[in-house]
Amino acid sequence: GNSVTQMEGPVTLSEEAFLTINCTYTATGYPSLFWYVQYPGEGLQLLLKATKADDKGSNKGFEATYRKETTSFHLEKGSVQVSDSAVYFCALNRDDKIIFGKGTRLHILP
Amino acid sequence: EAGVTQFPSHSVIEKGQTVTLRCDPISGHDNLYWYRRVMGKEIKFLLHFVKESKQDESGMPNNRFLAERTGGTYSTLKVQPAELEDSGVYFCASSRGLGLSYEQYFGPGTRLTVT
Repeated sequence: GNSVTQMEGPVTLSEEAFLTINCTYTATGYPSLFWYVQYPGEGLQLLLKATKADDKGSNKGFEATYRKETTSFHLEKGSVQVSDSAVYFCALNRDDKIIFGKGTRLHILP
Repeated sequence: EAGVTQFPSHSVIEKGQTVTLRCDPISGHDNLYWYRRVMGKEIKFLLHFVKESKQDESGMPNNRFLAERTGGTYSTLKVQPAELEDSGVYFCASSRGLGLSYEQYFGPGTRLTVT
């Protein structure tokens, strides 16, 4: 079946640190891949996406590359800010349903 | 453009009671989705409306859950009778069309606590 596995949190970093949140997926065919973010008190927002192998999605300094050979879509940011504190969800789209990972809570300390 | 709105933001009910959650999609969005996140688990798909019709309800957990979208505008999700395992956050999303060209926009969620 289709599923997404992402690293468990919480992840706590200092401001300006490098961030990686690992994500791997299992799917039939070649799904589109997403990272969603949920800031405190807000809804889920699409952070970035990639629709085919080797595509790189990017937004707000975050990047993720669709790696078909390792079935991965790791989220990275070179220098995190306190405002990046949120819950991050890796996801894929299958038949117009979004299949999510469990989410990773990120805390950034000033 | 107003985003997806959900009401209430938080509901606390006792086991056996009934609760109705409401979702107002973005105006003009024919597609409306319900998802649920149970504590510590993934956000899971419940069902999908296209206008007033149920396109896919494969994720509905059991017949205690009833979703409606009369008139193809807002949607309600009723849980009757509620059980402890129904506690979680219920998200609604809407999109203008189907396929990868159309993003699903999510609401803030309704946190349901069954005691």
